[in-house]
Amino acid sequence: NAGVTQTPKFQVLKTGQSMTLQCAQDMNHEYMSWYRQDPGMGLRLIHYSVGAGITDQGEVPNGYNVSRSTTEDFPLRLLSAAPSQTSVYFCASSLRGRSYNEQFFGPGTRLTVL
Amino acid sequence: ILNVEQSPQSLHVQEGDSTNFTCSFPSSNFYALHWYRWETAKSPEALFVMTLNGDEKKKGRISATLNTKEGYSYLYIKGSQPEDSATYLCASYTGKLIFGQGTTLQVKP
Repeated sequence: NAGVTQTPKFQVLKTGQSMTLQCAQDMNHEYMSWYRQDPGMGLRLIHYSVGAGITDQGEVPNGYNVSRSTTEDFPLRLLSAAPSQTSVYFCASSLRGRSYNEQFFGPGTRLTVL
Repeated sequence: ILNVEQSPQSLHVQEGDSTNFTCSFPSSNFYALHWYRWETAKSPEALFVMTLNGDEKKKGRISATLNTKEGYSYLYIKGSQPEDSATYLCASYTGKLIFGQGTTLQVKP
């Protein structure tokens, strides 16, 4: 199993550009989520999904869109990038959206918005 | 407590020292408390998931306790080793998994 994979590893954007961060998992996990990690802030939840076709907002959803058309994939879209979105983005998945299911994290995408 | 809070923010210890950190979380609407270990240039990995008041978990030299009534969890490392150097994150599940800011541990040989 590849686990949770993310592409790209690094990305530089200009303000106003759009892009999609890709996340995929091959563990047949129902629950997937996106976090951003900023210095001194820990991991902040952006959006999450409890299954295909179902998404919901986390702590910091503004400026990001998600969709979940398959169990395996959970892309994160930035429609108009802003410098405040410079961060490291982690995708995570767990077997179910249950409180006791541990999360498995991808390797992260480092995004810089100029 | 409205958020998940961890203390201290960072910690420097000598090899062989035992240490502990605290995670405070809202005690209302509590479902589970997660601990993750995050090494530099890697992804966070789960250490423990605890759900019941009084839970104690152990993995090698690392252990954790949970008090859901007062809203705190302790992570203990016995006889710290340089390879224990990492950021330790706790997260509270209340419908969503919300993380604290982490405690960064540096163990000097």
